[in-house]
Amino acid sequence: GAVVSQHPSWVICKSGTSVKIECRSLDFQATTMFWYRQFPKQSLMLMATSNEGSKATYEQGVEKDKFLINHASLTLSTLTVTSAHPEDSSFYICSAARTGFLTYEQYFGPGTRLTVT
Amino acid sequence: GDSVTQMEGPVTLSEEAFLTINCTYTATGYPSLFWYVQYPGEGLQLLLKATKADDKGSNKGFEATYRKETTSFHLEKGSVQVSDSAVYFCALSEDAGNNRKLIWGLGTSLAVNP
Repeated sequence: GAVVSQHPSWVICKSGTSVKIECRSLDFQATTMFWYRQFPKQSLMLMATSNEGSKATYEQGVEKDKFLINHASLTLSTLTVTSAHPEDSSFYICSAARTGFLTYEQYFGPGTRLTVT
Repeated sequence: GDSVTQMEGPVTLSEEAFLTINCTYTATGYPSLFWYVQYPGEGLQLLLKATKADDKGSNKGFEATYRKETTSFHLEKGSVQVSDSAVYFCALSEDAGNNRKLIWGLGTSLAVNP
């Protein structure tokens, strides 16, 4: 159990367009989901924490108007990269938190490769 | 601030060789330490964790011991298999016992040849 999917797995878009990436928890409900960004040969950078039914919390330096996050249900969070530019090209990874009595675990999606031309 | 440093890859080994991937950390408090693995085309998976000094995490033949005196959490496996080829990430969390807010290392790519 505890599977998280992302769609699409890769996407190429033109500069100036917007791209939406979906993150789904397939077999559990997640009140909290996280969005990470990974540059080549660099570690994962947390971009924002997405809470179901409320606004996302963005990490310092992440433009909230650029990276729109919506967590409309307990199994789905979306990240929209607006007016994408080549410097937005990266690997985007989401995770979903499954909580229980005294337990907390993040489960990760396989990532989405975004290339902006 | 907190940080994680792990050895650069790629690491290439022959099947049944001994594996060590070094990981050291800096933290202001008493973090929990994690190793994650990412197989090709899959999401990050928790491999093992340790929540306090001298704890040993183990899973699938991999082990790592939380060494507070050397601020290290090196990953070891006595005999690697081709199926262990993946990228391994060391991470820490200051959120006691869980992985609520993770600080990541750069990842170490491991290739095991038959």
